[in-house]
Amino acid sequence: NAGVTQTPKFRVLKTGQSMTLLCAQDMNHEYMYWYRQDPGMGLRLIHYSVGEGTTAKGEVPDGYNVSRLKKQNFLLGLESAAPSQTSVYFCASRNSGTEAFFGQGTRLTVV
Amino acid sequence: GEDVEQSLFLSVREGDSSVINCTYTDSSSTYLYWYKQEPGAGLQLLTYIFSNMDMKQDQRLTVLLNKKDKHLSLRIADTQTGDSAIYFCAEILSYNTDKLIFGTGTRLQVFP
Repeated sequence: NAGVTQTPKFRVLKTGQSMTLLCAQDMNHEYMYWYRQDPGMGLRLIHYSVGEGTTAKGEVPDGYNVSRLKKQNFLLGLESAAPSQTSVYFCASRNSGTEAFFGQGTRLTVV
Repeated sequence: GEDVEQSLFLSVREGDSSVINCTYTDSSSTYLYWYKQEPGAGLQLLTYIFSNMDMKQDQRLTVLLNKKDKHLSLRIADTQTGDSAIYFCAEILSYNTDKLIFGTGTRLQVFP
């Protein structure tokens, strides 16, 4: 039982490049989330999904897109990376009424 | 707004008690959580409390909930160096139970 798995774990991008972060969960959870963590700002919600085929905006959605084509996967896309998107990204999943389980994080640097 | 506030740093001596405070936003939040993040790792659930409770104790951890003031605290008894980490409180909003909102995190440093 792997729980929540994020790939890749580290990535360096040049400004303007694109990439996709993958989150996979094997717990049959309905809800999935993408957060970014920056020093002194805690975890900020980027986008989330309440089920396969659904997505919704969080607190800081600009510059990011997401897709949930399969229940177990939640993809976070950066179409044109900017230095302000340098951060640690965390994926989480849960069911209604339960706690969230987190992946180990993806450290992204945009130069 | 949906800001969950915590103080950024706390430093305690090994063996003392630590108290980490959190002010949340939704007085009707049903679930409130405490997560721990060790360096370079993801977040792990420490404990949680339902809104119909005022206190919950779990070994060295005591959670106190003051719904009137929207204040949540986590007390760690006999704090150890292994407790050094960042602690996050989180709430599920009653008016949008899909959203899990986190605080800014409190970095706890335990010194000998």
